Amino acid sequence: QVQLVESGGGVVQPGRSLRLSCAASGFTFSSYDMHWVRQAPGKGLEWVAHILYDGSYKYYADSVRGRFTISRDNSKNTLDLQVNSLRPEDTAVYYCAKDRTMHIRPIDYNRAPLDFWGQGTLVTVSS
Amino acid sequence: DIQMTQSPSSLSASVGDRVTITCRASQTIDNYLNWYQQKPGRAPELLIYSVSSLQSGVPSRFSGSGSGTDFTLTITNLQPEDSATYFCQHSYTTPPTFGGGTKVGIK
Repeated sequence: QVQLVESGGGVVQPGRSLRLSCAASGFTFSSYDMHWVRQAPGKGLEWVAHILYDGSYKYYADSVRGRFTISRDNSKNTLDLQVNSLRPEDTAVYYCAKDRTMHIRPIDYNRAPLDFWGQGTLVTVSS
Repeated sequence: DIQMTQSPSSLSASVGDRVTITCRASQTIDNYLNWYQQKPGRAPELLIYSVSSLQSGVPSRFSGSGSGTDFTLTITNLQPEDSATYFCQHSYTTPPTFGGGTKVGIK
């Protein structure tokens, strides 16, 4: 069965960095686009970043562009999110999630929902 | 960016009731509208995709409808285990934004 397990969260001071990871299993990781979505305490869902199945394209929310970097290692079935210059408003549970369908043409946006999510990892930015 | 507006933000209904949640997109998103259910302390789960297609394992009391910019999630015969927060999301383009959520409680 599909499993996504996030790790790397913790308490960090403003301006510092963290590297979040997501270990995937139970599906052909290299065939699916992956996403990071976050949820601030008591708030709604905010999409953060998206990487194509082969890493060729990456998309970011305006709120994190230039500070966060999404990457993947298809040989290790892992997805990462490097989060730099952290701010208090980045405090959230960070989820990794996979697209429901495989990406057919990289040049086209894959209009797929997110069918499996990890359990999340909590990042707290506080001095 | 496409904005997704959900209403109501919360509701309370009795077991057996029919519940309707609406989601409006700020521009047309064709049929690329998805619904997620999130229970406290848990990750979101995909409920419905492409407006009306039920994800595997989702009970048939859940249904979706709509087109263009206006969409609806309906729960018929509400059950205690349906107490959760429901989010709509478009997957038409990037960024794939979410609605603000609707918290469904049981009276």
